[in-house]
Amino acid sequence: QVTLKESGPVLVKPTETLTLTCTVSGFSLTNARMGVSWIRQPPGKALEWLAHIFSNDEKSYSTSLKRRLTISKDTSKGQVVLTMTNMDPVDTGTYYCARAVAGQGDFDYWGQGTLVTVSS
Amino acid sequence: SYELTQPPSVSVSPGRTASITCSGDKLGDKYSCWYQQKPGQSPVLVIYQDNKRPSGIPERFSGSNSGNTATLTISGTQAMDEADYYCQAWDSSTVVFGGGTKLTVL
Repeated sequence: QVTLKESGPVLVKPTETLTLTCTVSGFSLTNARMGVSWIRQPPGKALEWLAHIFSNDEKSYSTSLKRRLTISKDTSKGQVVLTMTNMDPVDTGTYYCARAVAGQGDFDYWGQGTLVTVSS
Repeated sequence: SYELTQPPSVSVSPGRTASITCSGDKLGDKYSCWYQQKPGQSPVLVIYQDNKRPSGIPERFSGSNSGNTATLTISGTQAMDEADYYCQAWDSSTVVFGGGTKLTVL
C-alpha cells in the first residue's frame, strides 16, 4: 500500500525558512522509476508545482521559485524534504507531496497535504 | 515558460456529457493527465497518458490529446462528479498544471 504523508510547521513567520518532510511507504525512493514532487495550493486557488526529485537524485524546480527552494531525499528514512526560504504571507496554503513514476508523467499517489500559514 | 489554459468553469446537466479542455503549445506531443479534486481533499488522478484510466476510475471518464488541446470527457455526468479538475503535463524536466476548471452539475 503506497502512502505519502507530509509533516512540518503549521505556522511560520514572514522571512523564516519553511522545512517540510514527506514520508513515503509502500515503495522505495531507491527504485529507479520513482520520483517525488512537492505541489502547493493557496486557499481557493489552483495547484502549483514547486519541485521534483528524480530517482537518480537529479532535481528540478519551478522557474519562478527556484531561488528559494531546495529539495532533497533521505532514502534510508524514506523521506523527501523541501525547504523554502524567505516565507511570505502569499506562501500560505496546503502543501502536498506526490509520487511520479518515470515515463508516465502523472502523479499517481498524493499525500493528504499540510496547511501552512505564514503570519506574524 | 510553458502554460496550460483551462476554462474556469463548465456546467452540465445530470446524465449529459461534460467536456473540459486544456490548451498548450504542441500539447499533443506530450503526455497529459487529469486530476479531480473535491473540497478539502487531495487531487485524484482520473486520466493518465492522455487517455488511460487508473484502476477504480469509472468508465464514464475518458481523455484525448491532439494538436494543442487535451480534453477530459465525462459521459453520463453524475452529481458526484462535481469538483475541480486540473490538467497537467511535463515540459522538459518541469511540471505544469492548468489553472483548473470547476465542474458544476445542475
